[in-house]
Amino acid sequence: AQSVTQPDIHITVSEGASLELRCNYSYGATPYLFWYVQSPGQGLQLLLKYFSGDTLVQGIKGFEAEFKRSQSSFNLRKPSVHWSDAAEYFCAVGANYQLIWGAGTKLIIKP
Amino acid sequence: DAGVIQSPRHEVTEMGQEVTLRCKPISGHNSLFWYRQTMMRGLELLIYFNNNVPIDDSGMPEDRFSAKMPNASFSTLKIQPSEPRDSAVYFCASSQRTAFISGANVLTFGAGSRLTVL
Repeated sequence: AQSVTQPDIHITVSEGASLELRCNYSYGATPYLFWYVQSPGQGLQLLLKYFSGDTLVQGIKGFEAEFKRSQSSFNLRKPSVHWSDAAEYFCAVGANYQLIWGAGTKLIIKP
Repeated sequence: DAGVIQSPRHEVTEMGQEVTLRCKPISGHNSLFWYRQTMMRGLELLIYFNNNVPIDDSGMPEDRFSAKMPNASFSTLKIQPSEPRDSAVYFCASSQRTAFISGANVLTFGAGSRLTVL
């Protein structure tokens, strides 16, 4: 069955520290992979996507993600987080017309 | 482009009342989705329209929920009668889906409608 797992419900990092959010997927075909961010009281905004080609993809707000087929992973990274990055982050895989969503990881920034 | 526009942003109503949520998708997008988000169940797809036609409504919880898309620029989600367990944030999202590329579907979300049923 198709699924997306985000193993961390919450992650706390200090401002200026590096960040890695984990995402593992289960999908039988070539995956189309997405990361979305949801700030409090807002809708979901696309951070980046992977469809094909270079497995390291760059997104908005200084985020990047790396697709590793052998590990079925699509982890999100940022070298230095800012307080404004505090939000919930969702990984998803495209399955036909819809997205299969992970449960989300809430990022908390320590000053 | 103004993005996906949803109204109202907040709705507080009493149990048994009818609730109508509205969505204006991005011009030119051919696909529209209604999602519900709660702490307990996360993001749930309620219904998917393609070219104004409902394709998958398997996520609609029960007959109290209905959705329409009378034209390419407008959709509604109606709950009648509403119940406290319907309290959630309801999102509308739209996309320009290229039919022959499965899964490569970039959704743009609205800001959501927060519904509270007392």
